[in-house]
Amino acid sequence: EIVMTQSPATLSVSPGERATLSCRASQSVGSDLAWYQQKPGQAPRLLIYDASTRAPGIPPRFSGSGSGTEFTFTISGLQSDDFAIYYCQQYYTWPPIHSPYTFGQGTKVAIK
Amino acid sequence: EVQLVQSGAEVKKPGESLKISCEGSGYNFTNYWIGWVRQMPGKGLEWMGIIYSGDSETRYRPSVQGQVTMSVDKFMRTAYLEWSRLRASDTAIYYCARQLEGYSAYDFWGQGTPVTVSS
Repeated sequence: EIVMTQSPATLSVSPGERATLSCRASQSVGSDLAWYQQKPGQAPRLLIYDASTRAPGIPPRFSGSGSGTEFTFTISGLQSDDFAIYYCQQYYTWPPIHSPYTFGQGTKVAIK
Repeated sequence: EVQLVQSGAEVKKPGESLKISCEGSGYNFTNYWIGWVRQMPGKGLEWMGIIYSGDSETRYRPSVQGQVTMSVDKFMRTAYLEWSRLRASDTAIYYCARQLEGYSAYDFWGQGTPVTVSS
């Protein structure tokens, strides 16, 4: 199973500042990586797939980069609505029989 | 508008059976895989498996294989997740989600079904 490790666990940021989150894979996942936002009591929301492609309707302040084992997710100009938990997910192996899709443990973006 | 609407919260006892549902609308249901994701209380997301709505082909995470059954009724546009014998450790919120075409990311999610298993 591919293990996804996110850092930091919590990131305290002031509104208007930039937040940079990291996600590391235990083995290469190419560009098969997505980022999600989850707010309390809500389902996750897809922000980025294919490591750097924004999902429809996602504003450009959200961006993703990286490939292989190292990935970065950036929120430029944090808005109050952006304080949430962010998860990365790899979907490298198809079909996912012996190597299931896996999520990172999440990074909480909190108000500083 | 694409929507996935899940069945309501459940409270069950250990050993009981349960089947929760996820109804899709606003898209060609049979062209997409549906994934199931578990979130235990206060924890992160765990991918459980996927089912193809067109022909019911399934892929399970090894740790849940044999513990749950995924199924689909394409005429009712509904996917199901079923347990024959619940355990306290099955307590979680269960989300269904549509798998993006060409990529195994999840672009639309149900609202989640909380399942509580307690004696």
